[in-house]
Amino acid sequence: DQQVKQNSPSLSVQEGRISILNCDYTNSMFDYFLWYKKYPAEGPTFLISISSIKDKNEDGRFTVFLNKSAKHLSLHIVPSQPGDSAVYFCAASPSGTGANNLFFGTGTRLTVIP
Amino acid sequence: GAGVSQTPSNKVTEKGKYVELRCDPISGHTALYWYRQSLGQGPEFLIYFQGTGAADDSGLPNDRFFAVRPEGSVSTLKIQRTERGDSAVYLCASSLNGGPASSYNEQFFGPGTRLTVL
Repeated sequence: DQQVKQNSPSLSVQEGRISILNCDYTNSMFDYFLWYKKYPAEGPTFLISISSIKDKNEDGRFTVFLNKSAKHLSLHIVPSQPGDSAVYFCAASPSGTGANNLFFGTGTRLTVIP
Repeated sequence: GAGVSQTPSNKVTEKGKYVELRCDPISGHTALYWYRQSLGQGPEFLIYFQGTGAADDSGLPNDRFFAVRPEGSVSTLKIQRTERGDSAVYLCASSLNGGPASSYNEQFFGPGTRLTVL
């Protein structure tokens, strides 16, 4: 069963506008959340993360929001740039058993239109 | 410095054959992970090494899959009697230490090996 879900397989946004990528999870043991960005023929690269003790983490143009009660997180990119076009994966890590593993969503392909 | 490297980048094999996939982690990283990404899916955890030992192999799908890391650096993922369903991109990642993910323990991924079983 998919414990981390990204229900939007693709998203297109105009350059300069905000991109919002969403992620839902089901496992209440997840306590650390990450976003990875992936270009074709490359491995995923870490973008930004958030601990479950926070509800927001910001790094430049990227902000991740966490709503624990809804088991939902989102990545905001503003302003969006054409170089942001990639596949974005949401990932989560549990505490306790399996704490070393990352559980990934299926990804959202973001296209930023110049 | 050099990132995680994986060889080969592409591997085509026939059903029933044996394959080995290699991962060179970042120098000094004690933890190494293998993931498998099937078409249209996100990476799925296979196995985690802390040093030379497999600390968690709960993600290996069956006993046809095996991985080693004999000197605590390079790792090899071995797949016996390959099946068409094994076709996927196999990703390797390393991190400085094992343990829970954190801002101090980021997993760095290699480019992956695309395995195609005909």
